[in-house]
Amino acid sequence: SQTIHQWPATLVQPVGSPLSLECTVEGTSNPNLYWYRQAAGRGLQLLFYSVGIGQISSEVPQNLSASRPQDRQFILSSKKLLLSDSGFYLCAWRGTGEGNSPLHFGNGTRLTVT
Amino acid sequence: AQKVTQAQTEISVVEKEDVTLDCVYETRDTTYYLFWYKQPPSGELVFLIRRNSFDEQNEISGRYSWNFQKSTSSFNFTITASQVVDSAVYFCALSEAGYGGATNKLIFGTGTLLAVQP
Repeated sequence: SQTIHQWPATLVQPVGSPLSLECTVEGTSNPNLYWYRQAAGRGLQLLFYSVGIGQISSEVPQNLSASRPQDRQFILSSKKLLLSDSGFYLCAWRGTGEGNSPLHFGNGTRLTVT
Repeated sequence: AQKVTQAQTEISVVEKEDVTLDCVYETRDTTYYLFWYKQPPSGELVFLIRRNSFDEQNEISGRYSWNFQKSTSSFNFTITASQVVDSAVYFCALSEAGYGGATNKLIFGTGTLLAVQP
């Protein structure tokens, strides 16, 4: 069966420090991968998605970037964190060609920028 | 443009009460998909149901039921005989059909926090 892992679960970082959040999926090949952010108002905002290795689409301009160095690995990064980057970050996947199937989410990373 | 509105920010009920969570959506597509997710305090998002725009039959799964009405662009979720374990944030989401693939983005509402008191 397929599983998705995100780490770390929680992170406290000072403003201006770098960030790297990692997400991996097991049990499937060539998944479509997504990064969402949930801010204090609880809404979920799509940040990035990827249909394959090295292919990244950004949904909103921001201080963050994403990379997909391997088929089932999706990384969210920042060179210098801002206070506004605080939030709950969720990685998700769905199968290739399953355009309208449900997204399967990881357990999330709670990031606090101080 | 797609939009999902969950007007109820927070709902508090006493255990065993029935509760309905409202979801209103906007889309120009004739083919689309609607979803409900549950987010318990632990944070992960749990998929509950998917409904496509051509299937207006209501669905029941145990204590959960969903009422899809295209005429009012609503996809409401009812929990019957609520339990403390139902306490969570519930999200409604919309995806337009398109040609499939990653670009069929899931657009979420802002969620409804349901608190079930013992």
